[in-house]
Amino acid sequence: SQTIHQWPATLVQPVGSPLSLECTVEGTSNPNLYWYRQAAGRGLQLLFYSVGIGQISSEVPQNLSASRPQDRQFILSSKKLLLSDSGFYLCAWTGGGRNTIYFGEGSWLTVV
Amino acid sequence: AQSVTQLGSHVSVSEGALVLLRCNYSSSVPPYLFWYVQYPNQGLQLLLKYTSAATLVKGINGFEAEFKKSETSFHLTKPSAHMSDAAEYFCAVSSNAGGTSYGKLTFGQGTILTVHP
Repeated sequence: SQTIHQWPATLVQPVGSPLSLECTVEGTSNPNLYWYRQAAGRGLQLLFYSVGIGQISSEVPQNLSASRPQDRQFILSSKKLLLSDSGFYLCAWTGGGRNTIYFGEGSWLTVV
Repeated sequence: AQSVTQLGSHVSVSEGALVLLRCNYSSSVPPYLFWYVQYPNQGLQLLLKYTSAATLVKGINGFEAEFKKSETSFHLTKPSAHMSDAAEYFCAVSSNAGGTSYGKLTFGQGTILTVHP
């Protein structure tokens, strides 16, 4: 069966520090991968998606970047965090011929 | 292009009363529609989804939603509210236009449901 792992689950980072959130999918190959963010009091917004290794598409301009170094690994990064980067980050995947999107458990980021 | 509007950021009902959460969408291609629930400090849980099959969709926990193309609506209902239904609910739209379109969801702003004893 397919599973999606996302970590860390929670983190508190100072302004200006770097960020790395990781997401790994198991049990499938060549998934489409996505990063979403939910800022406080707002709905979820798609940040990045990827259709393959090294292929990243950005949906909104921001202080963050994404990378896909391996087929089933998706990383969300920042060199210098801003207060506005605080929020709930969700990784997700689709593929395998299924009309279903699978979300990870999410990562709560607080920038202080 | 696609968008979702959830009417009412807060809805309050009494336990046992009808729950109605409203969602209207806009999409330039046939839509896929979803309702998700988020409990405090937890991730998203899929309640139900419409993917161009039956227009009346039944989900988990007694919820259902009806796709009405003429009204561009996908309202979520439950006949009798339980205290455990208190949470935030999100409506979302994507499409089956190929490639990554299915996973590129556009979410509404969310509706917080409060259930009173």
